[in-house]
Amino acid sequence: AQKVTQAQTEISVVEKEDVTLDCVYETRDTTYYLFWYKQPPSGELVFLIRRNSFDEQNEISGRYSWNFQKSTSSFNFTITASQVVDSAVYFCALRPYSGAGSYQLTFGKGTKLSVIP
Amino acid sequence: DTEVTQTPKHLVMGMTNKKSLKCEQHMGHRAMYWYKQKAKKPPELMFVYSYEKLSINESVPSRFSPECPNSSLLNLHLHALQPEDSALYLCASSQGGTGFSSGANVLTFGAGSRLTVL
Repeated sequence: AQKVTQAQTEISVVEKEDVTLDCVYETRDTTYYLFWYKQPPSGELVFLIRRNSFDEQNEISGRYSWNFQKSTSSFNFTITASQVVDSAVYFCALRPYSGAGSYQLTFGKGTKLSVIP
Repeated sequence: DTEVTQTPKHLVMGMTNKKSLKCEQHMGHRAMYWYKQKAKKPPELMFVYSYEKLSINESVPSRFSPECPNSSLLNLHLHALQPEDSALYLCASSQGGTGFSSGANVLTFGAGSRLTVL
């Protein structure tokens, strides 16, 4: 069974503050993929990043960075110098690489981020 | 612009109506998905098509009927829905199908169709 936990239901920050969204997962698979998606009020889920279970390098993309730690089963997402346009619900998700369940993308419950101007 | 296009964006229907949601992608993806998302919840998988064949049905009631006429199109036919079926319906697609090692494939989502059942 797979599980993704996003303990933070809602976070509010003032513009230009840094914010970290937590994601902890559980899986028995040895090879798996982790994802982050952003869902603005318009409704579309926007893909942000994919990370495979063998690649523990942190990744930075502009103001976004991701910290993957297999030892603690965490894949946290940090936004630096937050902007109002970052306001959205962010979902962390997990997918096994192979096997009968590889079609299944298991989502966390999401973290709603509000950036206040 | 999203690469997965869903129509209509909004739909209001009565419990006796028959309507359809449409989804289209031109990325050459061979897996297509329907998800249902209730307010303040994550998306829940309903159906998966792989190479135009229904491969996964997550025990969805028969009042929802999916159809994949070709590799670019996915429909969701709605009949005799209940008010609790009101939700955002999201379509997604991914490369390849849903074969043995497809877990690396990224799902690209559409903007959704917001359905209200009166």
